[in-house]
Order: sequence, then C-alpha cells, then structure tokens
Amino acid sequence: NAGVTQTPKFQVLKTGQSMTLQCAQDMNHNSMYWYRQDPGMGLRLIYYSASEGTTDKGEVPNGYNVSRLNKREFSLRLESAAPSQTSVYFCASSPMGMPYGYTFGSGTRLTVV
Amino acid sequence: DAKTTQPPSMDCAEGRAANLPCNHSTISGNEYVYWYRQIHSQGPQYIIHGLKNNETNEMASLIITEDRKSSTLILPHATLRDTAVYYCIVRGSQGNLIFGKGTKLSVKP
Repeated sequence: NAGVTQTPKFQVLKTGQSMTLQCAQDMNHNSMYWYRQDPGMGLRLIYYSASEGTTDKGEVPNGYNVSRLNKREFSLRLESAAPSQTSVYFCASSPMGMPYGYTFGSGTRLTVV
Repeated sequence: DAKTTQPPSMDCAEGRAANLPCNHSTISGNEYVYWYRQIHSQGPQYIIHGLKNNETNEMASLIITEDRKSSTLILPHATLRDTAVYYCIVRGSQGNLIFGKGTKLSVKP
C-alpha cells in the first residue's frame, strides 16, 4: 500500500502564479485533510473533507480552495500565490469519526518568490 | 477545544526510557488523547491514542492519569532514530487534530 501520496514534492512559484497540490490515498478512508507547517511551528489545518462531496474550512483557509474529486483524491489550489504561502503542505486521511488517527503524506515543499 | 501543554524540549540517553509529559487539564470526558511524532521534516507519524485506560503498542506506552488531566508517553528503550518532535493532541470540537509545537526529543548516544 502506498498510503497517502502527494505530488509534487517540491515546487517554486512566482508571486501571483497558481498551482494545484494533489493528494491521493488508497486506504478507502472517508476523511481527508490539508495542513500547512511553517518553520518551527506545528501543523495548521487549512481545509478538510469529512466525506466525499463535502469540504469545510479549517484554521487558515484564506488564499486556498479545495476539491474532493472522489473518495481517493483531495486537491488544494492556490489561485494567486503569495510569499506568505511559502510552507510545507501535508495531506492526511482517516476513517470517518473517532477514535481513528490520521495517516499523513510526505509533504510538498512550496516556495513562493 | 481542549488544549495541551508540553515541554519544548527533552534529552534522553540511548537505551533508556523516554518519558514525555503532556498536560490537558480542560479535556472533556469523551475526548481522546493522541500522540504523533515528526522526524525531521517528514509527515507526522501516528504513535498511540487513549481515552482513560493505559495503552501499549509496539511503539510506545501511554499512561493517562485517573483524572485525565495529564498523560505520559513512554518510549521504553529510546534509540537515535527516536529523535523527533512529539505532539500530544486532544481531538478538537470539529473532530480534527489540532497540533501545537510539541516536544523536541533528542536521544543522545
């Protein structure tokens, strides 16, 4: 099993450019999440999808959009990248509800110049 | 949402037990405590979770006090590969994991 796969692993964008971060899981999990991690900080939730067809804002949603394409895939889009969005982005998935934990991907390192 | 308090850093000698404390004094009766770790800049890795009973798995043990206001993660025989940031997390009201800054554990030879 691959678990949670994120693409790309690294990306450099110019201010104002757009891009989509891809995430796919092969564990038949219902819920998926996008987090960002800035240097020396913990992870902050951007958006999540409790189940296919639903999405909700997390702690820091401004400047991002998401799409739950199907049960396996959850993408994160930056419409107009800003230097403040330079971060490491992690996707995670879990079975719906408690007490299940999350499985994380290996991250996408994004730099906006 | 219940919040957690952890020391920012700890050291442990290789081969010894590492005991990582966490305070969660505002935890409610049906909230679970989860522990994750993050090695270097990799994605966080699930370690263990518990509600009120002590739990053990192949990675670690979790000791939760009777009043549930604090817990301790125990790595019984720490190795250099256990050097990581350890996060103690109480599930938030939306049901999502809310990460703090964690404890940076350094295992030294």
